[in-house]
Amino acid sequence: SQQGEEDPQALSIQEGENATMNCSYKTSINNLQWYRQNSGRGLVHLILIRSNEREKHSGRLRVTLDTSKKSSSLLITASRAADTASYFCAKRDTGANSKLTFGKGITLSVRP
Amino acid sequence: DTGVSQDPRHKITKRGQNVTFRCDPISEHNRLYWYRQTLGQGPEFLTYFQNEAQLEKSRLLSDRFSAERPKGSFSTLEIQRTEQGDSAMYLCASSLEASGNTIYFGEGSWLTVV
Repeated sequence: SQQGEEDPQALSIQEGENATMNCSYKTSINNLQWYRQNSGRGLVHLILIRSNEREKHSGRLRVTLDTSKKSSSLLITASRAADTASYFCAKRDTGANSKLTFGKGITLSVRP
Repeated sequence: DTGVSQDPRHKITKRGQNVTFRCDPISEHNRLYWYRQTLGQGPEFLTYFQNEAQLEKSRLLSDRFSAERPKGSFSTLEIQRTEQGDSAMYLCASSLEASGNTIYFGEGSWLTVV
């Protein structure tokens, strides 16, 4: 079963605007990873943030993590039509468990 | 730099037939994962290997599913007696040992059972 919850489920914005996507979880995590998926394609890794980190940046992407609230957010600044895709957060629990557990994803549409 | 490679990318099969998917991980990655994804859903974990050892299997992996990684490099996922409910994208991923490392995914293998 999927244990992460992303919010909103769908987001439609104008090119140039910022897009903020949120992810919540219920367990203790080692890290949380964000992925992008274009329609019919595989998953592209965006950012990994560890439980002892609060914020990470990569180009136009900014990810924050609040372990006290068990939530993370992905911000895409100055969005482009090419950012249109589904975005997933995936958590990796602490302990020996090695797998990633995904949410249902957020569908982002960026209108040109 | 080659990423995770999956073959075939698309497979259409008749119900009751067997299918096999192959995954070649990023070289030197000792962990290999299989996930399944249906339309509108996130990927669901099936199984993972560390080297040639299969360390965890999901309850989603029925007796009709078997995965192998005989030499600790490539892996195969076989589905026997396919059912229409098996129609999905099967994703392979790999990583270096250590829970803090990035997991990289392939392009997936689409299965349609008719």
